[in-house]
Amino acid sequence: AQSVTQLGSHVSVSEGALVLLRCNYSSSVPPYLFWYVQYPNQGLQLLLKYTSAATLVKGINGFEAEFKKSETSFHLTKPSAHMSDAAEYFCAVSEKGTGANNLFFGTGTRLTVIP
Amino acid sequence: GAGVSQSPSNKVTEKGKDVELRCDPISGHTALYWYRQSLGQGLEFLIYFQGNSAPDKSGLPSDRFSAERTGGSVSTLTIQRTQQEDSAVYLCASSPRQGNYEQYFGPGTRLTVT
Repeated sequence: AQSVTQLGSHVSVSEGALVLLRCNYSSSVPPYLFWYVQYPNQGLQLLLKYTSAATLVKGINGFEAEFKKSETSFHLTKPSAHMSDAAEYFCAVSEKGTGANNLFFGTGTRLTVIP
Repeated sequence: GAGVSQSPSNKVTEKGKDVELRCDPISGHTALYWYRQSLGQGLEFLIYFQGNSAPDKSGLPSDRFSAERTGGSVSTLTIQRTQQEDSAVYLCASSPRQGNYEQYFGPGTRLTVT
């Protein structure tokens, strides 16, 4: 069964500092991986996705993530945090090739940006 | 273009009542998903529709939960005899086609059972 672990339910960074949100997955086959962002009282917005092309994936708003098969990780980074990055971030996995199209989500990481 | 829309945005109901939540997917999207987001937890998959195929109901938590999708477009999630533990945000998502794993989410319906 698929599972996703996000280390740290809350992360605080200073404005301009590096953002690192951690995500590890468990899957019997290489999955598709996603990061979504949720702003207050809004739905989820796709930041980026990994679907077996380049292992370093660039997304919107300056975010990127690297798929590391040996570490079963897909950590999200941004070189310099902006106040507008404050939100909740969800890592998700979908198992490709099985016809199972639903996403399995982590429990989320709330990012706070300190001015 | 228009995104996924959900209605109502907020619903307060008394324990034991039935509720219906509506989702309008993006036009042309063949796949539709329902998820539940409870306080302090991640998103929990509920049900998945793909075209005219039988839905994947494997995530529905009990037989009080059901969903239908009429004409391959609008979907309704029904919760019968609501319980307080049903209080959550219910999110709908749609996807362009089977095999495309990118899902587009609506703003959700916040359900409160008193």
